[in-house]
Amino acid sequence: AQSVAQPEDQVNVAEGNPLTVKCTYSVSGNPYLFWYVQYPNRGLQFLLKYITGDNLVKGSYGFEAEFNKSQTSFHLKKPSALVSDSALYFCAVRDLRNFNKFYFGSGTKLNVKP
Amino acid sequence: NAGVMQNPRHLVRRRGQEARLRCSPMKGHSHVYWYRQLPEEGLKFMVYLQKENIIDESGMPKERFSAEFPKEGPSILRIQQVVRGDSAAYFCASSDILQGEQYFGPGTRLTVT
Repeated sequence: AQSVAQPEDQVNVAEGNPLTVKCTYSVSGNPYLFWYVQYPNRGLQFLLKYITGDNLVKGSYGFEAEFNKSQTSFHLKKPSALVSDSALYFCAVRDLRNFNKFYFGSGTKLNVKP
Repeated sequence: NAGVMQNPRHLVRRRGQEARLRCSPMKGHSHVYWYRQLPEEGLKFMVYLQKENIIDESGMPKERFSAEFPKEGPSILRIQQVVRGDSAAYFCASSDILQGEQYFGPGTRLTVT
């Protein structure tokens, strides 16, 4: 079955330290992978995507993500966290073999402490 | 290029009334998705539509809920005879098959009293 897993409900990191938010996926074929961020009482904002090419993808606000096919992972990273990065982060996969359906992870709450 | 628009942003209904939520996708997008989100929880997929077609409604309750995306006009999510458990934020997203990513609207926050 197609799915996306975010194993951590919450990630805590100190401002200035690197951060990683984990995501693994299970989908047939070559997936399209995405990261979104949600601030309180707002809709989701697109951060970055992987479709093909370089495994390291750079996105908005200094975020990047690394696609690892053998581990079926797409972890979100940032070299130096900011307090303003505190938000809810969602990983998603688009299954092109299944009517272009999107599957979202359960979300990870990132807390960046000053 | 205007983003995804949803209205109303806030909707209050009494139990038993009907709620109609509207979503206008981004210009040129022909795929629309509806999600529900409870406070401090993730997104729950409800329905995926293309113009005049429901592609996947596996996440939508069988009763009281319906969705459409007509040839002209916005997509509509309709909830009949609302109950308190329907209180949630409802998000619409649209995508262009060529681009891949979904773009989300600001959501409609439904409160059932």
